[in-house]
Amino acid sequence: AQTVTQSQPEMSVQEAETVTLSCTYDTSESDYYLFWYKQPPSRQMILVIRQEAYKQQNATENRFSVNFQKAAKSFSLKISDSQLGDAAMYFCAYRSASGRGNKLIFGTGTLLAVQP
Amino acid sequence: EAQVTQNPRYLITVTGKKLTVTCSQNMNHEYMSWYRQDPGLGLRQIYYSMNVEVTDKGDVPEGYKVSRKEKRNFPLILESPSPNQTSLYFCASSFNSIPSSGPAGTQYFGPGTRLTVL
Repeated sequence: AQTVTQSQPEMSVQEAETVTLSCTYDTSESDYYLFWYKQPPSRQMILVIRQEAYKQQNATENRFSVNFQKAAKSFSLKISDSQLGDAAMYFCAYRSASGRGNKLIFGTGTLLAVQP
Repeated sequence: EAQVTQNPRYLITVTGKKLTVTCSQNMNHEYMSWYRQDPGLGLRQIYYSMNVEVTDKGDVPEGYKVSRKEKRNFPLILESPSPNQTSLYFCASSFNSIPSSGPAGTQYFGPGTRLTVL
């Protein structure tokens, strides 16, 4: 079975600085998708970025980028120029490209604080 | 506006009193799913549905029921709630498959339902 591990329960960053959140996963599959979701205090789950495993190029979305290392099964999220609105819980998630259903397997989350 | 809605947003109930949490999406998604979120555990899938009248268990289905009579709706039913079902519940929907590019397959989440069972 696939698992997702986020080893940093909490992180802190100064406003305008850069922070990297770690995520590792375990799978025997070769084709899959990885996601980062943001959960602000409102509790809404917001998709930040997604990565297809077959793509070598790392995904980027404005200030958010990932470092996808397929061989190491690592999928870290880098937030550049951190803003106060980035403070939230961040979840890493895995989805198989095959099999039944679109189940997302989530890590336990990293709570990011942004200091002014 | 494309969205997933859930009702109620907050619910406090007592052990054994049947309840239903509704979920509706307006994006014509085939796939719908329920997750529960508990501290230190992340989100775990309860049940999912690939399409109308097609449902299956997720990782933590005990104590829950679902139905999918219409494409847009996917209610979560707790026949006899217990305190260990106190949690934050999310409904999510997506198209069934992920193409080589584009947003299809990405899951969109509802706003969450905070359930407390006393």
